[in-house]
Amino acid sequence: GNSVTQMEGPVTLSEEAFLTINCTYTATGYPSLFWYVQYPGEGLQLLLKATKADDKGSNKGFEATYRKETTSFHLEKGSVQVSDSAVYFCALGASNAGGTSYGKLTFGQGTILTVHP
Amino acid sequence: KAGVTQTPRYLIKTRGQQVTLSCSPISGHRSVSWYQQTPGQGLQFLFEYFSETQRNKGNFPGRFSGRQFSNSRSEMNVSTLELGDSALYLCASSLAVGLAFPYEQYFGPGTRLTVT
Repeated sequence: GNSVTQMEGPVTLSEEAFLTINCTYTATGYPSLFWYVQYPGEGLQLLLKATKADDKGSNKGFEATYRKETTSFHLEKGSVQVSDSAVYFCALGASNAGGTSYGKLTFGQGTILTVHP
Repeated sequence: KAGVTQTPRYLIKTRGQQVTLSCSPISGHRSVSWYQQTPGQGLQFLFEYFSETQRNKGNFPGRFSGRQFSNSRSEMNVSTLELGDSALYLCASSLAVGLAFPYEQYFGPGTRLTVT
């Protein structure tokens, strides 16, 4: 079945540092990939997505490139801010509509990011 | 446009009781998915409803059930609560039309269920 593996956390950085959160996946076919962010006490917010190989998703300074050859979708940001402190989830959605695919995202375990001033 | 809303936000129940959680999707969205989030198991898919029909179900016992109404609002029910059911329950809605599968999902704030 499909699975997503994220780098072990938590990650602690100083403001303006470079961020990388690794994400690799196992899936049949050509899934779509997502990064979601969860702030304390809130639900998940879609941060960015990529639907095919070599696509780059970007939003709010965050970027991730869909690498089919390495089955990866690493999240990066050039300069983090204190307000980026949150939990980040990599997720996968099947590319083909079908019984076991409807409405299902498969998530990684989440990476806690703390940014200090 | 209003986001996904979930009620109640917090709930405390006793083992053996049952509970019903409610989710109102974004206006126009026809699909509602439910997830359970726990520190140990992370985010796990419970089920998905579209046009009042359950199209997909995760690997949870039959104590977990759901339904969807004609206005796309959805409820999930957990019967005979166990301590291990303590979790944040998230629902997500999506437009679920067109060819761009999988559809983007938009999450509500969740219902925090504590079973004592």
